[in-house]
Amino acid sequence: DAMVIQNPRYQVTQFGKPVTLSCSQTLNHNVMYWYQQKSSQAPKLLFHYYDKDFNNEADTPDNFQSRRPNTSFCFLDIRSPGLGDAAMYLCATSSSDGPTGPQHFGDGTRLSIL
Amino acid sequence: GEDVEQSLFLSVREGDSSVINCTYTDSSSTYLYWYKQEPGAGLQLLTYIFSNMDMKQDQRLTVLLNKKDKHLSLRIADTQTGDSAIYFCAESIRGSYIPTFGRGTSLIVHP
Repeated sequence: DAMVIQNPRYQVTQFGKPVTLSCSQTLNHNVMYWYQQKSSQAPKLLFHYYDKDFNNEADTPDNFQSRRPNTSFCFLDIRSPGLGDAAMYLCATSSSDGPTGPQHFGDGTRLSIL
Repeated sequence: GEDVEQSLFLSVREGDSSVINCTYTDSSSTYLYWYKQEPGAGLQLLTYIFSNMDMKQDQRLTVLLNKKDKHLSLRIADTQTGDSAIYFCAESIRGSYIPTFGRGTSLIVHP
């Protein structure tokens, strides 16, 4: 089945220690998104790629970076995680072909900071 | 600006129907979506409706759209305990591929 896969499902890191979360997709969608979701809140868009073009949300901290080496893979790098960065991180994809379509989400990576 | 509002909680008895409501402010919405999120998981697309439609039915799910009042609802017939989850309403504006999400409605189904 075509899908969005996030690894790992759970990630524990130390305060200030860089961490990378990964996302892969078999849907061949050209748009990929990273969201941060904290408890009882809606997902908050951090940034997205439209093809190779990177689009950062205005309020996304500089601590968060992203890479998309090819259509299938996208990475979220947190350079110096703080306690406030503990959250669920969700990757999503969509296709911009034709009318705006729905997003397809991975199961997320739960990030804990020690 | 874009704004999507949902009530935060809904409690129903197993076997009853659930109705989750959502209001939005942008009249140029093209698509309106319902997502389901179970604990510790990502968002699962349940259904979506084009803004030129009034209703869409898919098995136990019925989506109603009132464009005049900018009101969207999701009805779940014969609600089961497995339907307990958070339900997010989202809208996409014409020409945009960045949806706006509501805060989610936590549906609790009790025996």
